Amino acid sequence: EVVMTQSPATLSVSPGERATLSCRASQSVSSDVAWYQLKPGQAPRLLIYAASIRAPGVPATFSGSGSGTEFTLTISSLQSEDFAVYSCHQYNDWPPAPTFGGGTKVEI
Amino acid sequence: QLQLQESGPGLVKPSETLSLTCSVSGGSVSSDSYYWGWVRQSPGKGLEWIATISYAGFAYYSPSLKSRVTVSLDTSKNSLSLRLTSVTATDTAIYYCARHVLFYYEDSGSKGWFDPWGQGTLVTVSS
Repeated sequence: EVVMTQSPATLSVSPGERATLSCRASQSVSSDVAWYQLKPGQAPRLLIYAASIRAPGVPATFSGSGSGTEFTLTISSLQSEDFAVYSCHQYNDWPPAPTFGGGTKVEI
Repeated sequence: QLQLQESGPGLVKPSETLSLTCSVSGGSVSSDSYYWGWVRQSPGKGLEWIATISYAGFAYYSPSLKSRVTVSLDTSKNSLSLRLTSVTATDTAIYYCARHVLFYYEDSGSKGWFDPWGQGTLVTVSS
């Protein structure tokens, strides 16, 4: 099973600042990585797939990069609605199982 | 526009069976090429894939849960269901259903992401 490790666990940022979130895979997953935004009581939202392609409707302030084992989600200028938990997901190793990172909480 | 909504008991006793339904609107669960997944998030932990079922009813299960999980489609109700037997406190989680967007690659098989998701339902396992 591919283990996805996200860092940091919590990121404290001020509105308008840049946030950089990292995700490391235990083995190469090519560019088969997606990023999701999670908020309490809401449906998780797909932000990025194929490591760097923004999902429809996702603001350009969100960008993804990386390949192999190192991936990054960047939020260029944090808005109030961006404070949430972000989770990476590798889908290269399926079957047997796609796996997710433990999440990074972006807080004010 | 696809929308998904999970439903089911919020409290299940240890050793009993957890049963959840995911109602789908804006599309048919049996539409060609649609796949549907179940994912959960335990308190303080990351997301965990449980299972995926195809439009034709073929299911794929997480190796760690395979012995206890069954997923199925109900085309008459345009929904999918999840059954998890012999639950323990470690099965306490928010359970999500989602469309599993899969593409087939000749050299590496099917793979893809989840979109859209339901808002999830919290299931607590406790006596």
